[in-house]
Amino acid sequence: AQTVTQSQPEMSVQEAETVTLSCTYDTSENNYYLFWYKQPPSRQMILVIRQEAYKQQNATENRFSVNFQKAAKSFSLKISDSQLGDTAMYFCASSAGNKLTFGGGTRVLVKP
Amino acid sequence: DAGVIQSPRHEVTEMGQEVTLRCKPISGHNSLFWYRQTMMRGLELLIYFNNNVPIDDSGMPEDRFSAKMPNASFSTLKIQPSEPRDSAVYFCASSLALGGVLNEKLFFGSGTQLSVL
Repeated sequence: AQTVTQSQPEMSVQEAETVTLSCTYDTSENNYYLFWYKQPPSRQMILVIRQEAYKQQNATENRFSVNFQKAAKSFSLKISDSQLGDTAMYFCASSAGNKLTFGGGTRVLVKP
Repeated sequence: DAGVIQSPRHEVTEMGQEVTLRCKPISGHNSLFWYRQTMMRGLELLIYFNNNVPIDDSGMPEDRFSAKMPNASFSTLKIQPSEPRDSAVYFCASSLALGGVLNEKLFFGSGTQLSVL
């Protein structure tokens, strides 16, 4: 079984500043993928970024980047130059086989 | 493609009634997932199908819940009889899983907000 833990229930950040969300996971699989999803108030689930576990290079997608520490089973998300539209719930997720397991989520509030 | 389509968007019912949630995945996707989201338990995987076959239903809470996928373009999640604790947002998602590992993103529907009174 795999587990995903997000230890920060809520975080706030000033517009244009940087915030980092933590995520740890546990899996016995060698081949897996890691994801961050965003859920704004509209309820829609939106993929933010994806990391392949066999790649050491950290994934980057515009203002979003990850710090992937495989040995520590850590997968944090950094949001740079935060914008008001970044206000949402953020979920970390891990896939093993055909199952995607989500963490409990971190609510991010971007303040003007 | 219109994306994953779920219906209804909202459902309000009384305890004991049967509830059927519907999902149309993206054409060409071979994996379909049903998730339930609550404040207390977050996003829980209920069941997933691969090529229309249920692969893992260990997340289904109890016998009152059942899911079917009669063909590649349609799936249902049924609750009978419904209870107030079933109130949640139910998401359907689909993906193209190759090689036995989910390496592509899930495409989620807009969810069904279920309220059981």
